[in-house]
Amino acid sequence: DVQLLESGGGVVKPGGSLRLSCAASGFTFSSYVMNWVRQAPGKGLEWVSSISSSGDSAWHADSVRGRFAISRDNSRNTLFLQMNNLRAEDTAVYYCAKNWREGADQEAFDIWGLGTMVTVAS
Amino acid sequence: EVVLTQSPATLSLSPGERATLSCRASQSISNYLVWYQQKPGQAPRLLIYDTFNRATGIPARFSGSGAGTDFTLTISSLDPEDFAVYYCQQRNKWPLTFGGGTKVEIK
Repeated sequence: DVQLLESGGGVVKPGGSLRLSCAASGFTFSSYVMNWVRQAPGKGLEWVSSISSSGDSAWHADSVRGRFAISRDNSRNTLFLQMNNLRAEDTAVYYCAKNWREGADQEAFDIWGLGTMVTVAS
Repeated sequence: EVVLTQSPATLSLSPGERATLSCRASQSISNYLVWYQQKPGQAPRLLIYDTFNRATGIPARFSGSGAGTDFTLTISSLDPEDFAVYYCQQRNKWPLTFGGGTKVEIK
């Protein structure tokens, strides 16, 4: 079964840091662009970051650029999101998502994890 | 940034009725438009990619159409399991963006 499982969420104070992980299984992780998408409570979906299959290229939303960093370890089939200088508006469920097809950077997301909740509050 | 505007915000319909959801882009995105379904407490589910292609396992009652800036998701006959929130997403250029969603609720 193709599966993504996020971890690392929690409660953190403004200005704090968290590192999210996403463990992938059931597919050739190293062949696909991977992504983070978030959803604030009661709100819609917001794309956060994407990383190329090799890890050489990354893209970030303006709202997180300079504070968040996406990375991956293809030997461990794991995706990461390092989140620094967290703000209240970063409070959301963070989903890890797989590109549907190999080869394209910008794609539809066909597999999503269950999400991990990040709460930024004093 | 490509802004996607979905309408209506809420659609109140009965099972068996036809649902028509709209997604309008602030600039042309060719046919690089994707649709997702999300139920409460669940992750989004891919429905349609590149305007009209159904993802694996998606029933034929779901169809997509459009091009350029105007796109439509149609559910030909609502099944009770179709009541959910639907999001469109563009994959034409960075940053990837989502619409604000349309909630399809039971009338």
